[in-house]
Amino acid sequence: KNEVEQSPQNLTAQEGEFITINCSYSVGISALHWLQQHPGGGIVSLFMLSSGKKKHGRLIATINIQEKHSSLHITASHPRDSAVYICAVKYGGSNYQLIWGAGTKLIIKP
Amino acid sequence: ETGVTQSPTHLIKTRGQQVTLRCSSQSGHNTVSWYQQALGQGPQFIFQYYREEENGRGNFPPRFSGLQFPNYSSELNVNALELDDSALYLCASSRGPETQSFGPGPRRLVL
Repeated sequence: KNEVEQSPQNLTAQEGEFITINCSYSVGISALHWLQQHPGGGIVSLFMLSSGKKKHGRLIATINIQEKHSSLHITASHPRDSAVYICAVKYGGSNYQLIWGAGTKLIIKP
Repeated sequence: ETGVTQSPTHLIKTRGQQVTLRCSSQSGHNTVSWYQQALGQGPQFIFQYYREEENGRGNFPPRFSGLQFPNYSSELNVNALELDDSALYLCASSRGPETQSFGPGPRRLVL
């Protein structure tokens, strides 16, 4: 079993739909990242969370440390949101090592 | 603020060859981490360099090695390339334990 599991692996939705991507982890962490990766492009850090909830524009990220679970929500989704969304957790002490999920490929159709 | 940059953008090598990938860290950052991302998978941690010393290593064989220079830029070297080394290689820099800045794009190595 992977230490970081994401679901779903693939998600196709219509423009305007509310999107939820889930991340569960099995190790003790101090922080969790949500990142966005476009095909052939760079990885952009969307959020870093250690507790609670963060919002940026149409994106909302939540984390429940006790349940070892985080969600990324996209409201009023748009085709430009199409990308791979990756959850990564910070694990360990002084080494900033990230353990990454396999990603969720999101396609938003117009 | 200067971001993280990587070079070269694409590489094609043959099995058995050696390759060097380069990463310039973001201004003010003294830590560089390297990741390998195979097709359809999430990135895997290779190693991290902090102030010119290796500061952590993932489950990669010794033919994966690295360097960090006094200006905190870094190199990833892979010797005796194997077909399974074909992947995207991602560099991230950090100033401390709380944030990482990622390169402008993973660099693809194709064998």
